[in-house]
Amino acid sequence: GQQVMQIPQYQHVQEGEDFTTYCNSSTTLSNIQWYKQRPGGHPVFLIQLVKSGEVKKQKRLTFQFGEAKKNSSLHITATQTTDVGTYFCAGRLSLMAGSYQLTFGKGTKLSVIP
Amino acid sequence: DGGITQSPKYLFRKEGQNVTLSCEQNLNHDAMYWYRQDPGQGLRLIYYSQIVNDFQKGDIAEGYSVSREKKESFPLTVTSAQKNPTAFYLCASRPREHGELFFGEGSRLTVL
Repeated sequence: GQQVMQIPQYQHVQEGEDFTTYCNSSTTLSNIQWYKQRPGGHPVFLIQLVKSGEVKKQKRLTFQFGEAKKNSSLHITATQTTDVGTYFCAGRLSLMAGSYQLTFGKGTKLSVIP
Repeated sequence: DGGITQSPKYLFRKEGQNVTLSCEQNLNHDAMYWYRQDPGQGLRLIYYSQIVNDFQKGDIAEGYSVSREKKESFPLTVTSAQKNPTAFYLCASRPREHGELFFGEGSRLTVL
């Protein structure tokens, strides 16, 4: 079953408002990645977080990794219409040597009303 | 340009027919992956391969088959045994063990 939960599933915001999506795992993650998929497109890598409590910023996007490495969040400040799309988190659950499987959350679909 | 090429972009097939989706990469990546995407379901792993001539089942491998005869190529066959094959299929590759995934543009399969 799904081991990486992502909420909310949908979010509609007025342009200029902030947006946050949350990702939670039932088990400790060795790292977490975030991807963005524009409508009709394919997922594109945004960032990877590895360390407990890590915070990274990319312009208006702020990514956080929880202290226990079981949760993460993506926050967008002052959304723009170019932010429209579905945001996925993906956590590495397997710690077996030589294996590398990412488990994706179901994504948060962001709509921005101009 | 370097990248991942999936073909065809759109494919229609009748029930009971097998279909093969192509995935080619010129990024010199060792690992390649196939994901299935359904509305509201995120990405689910079908098969992955970390090296030529080796591959492993993912979470939803039933009804699918793959091969990895060349580093550049990782085709996916959707067999007639797959009960609900209509979906968006994404191929991806990864340059190193902890690196990010690079996705192709996807193949949208519709079974009539």
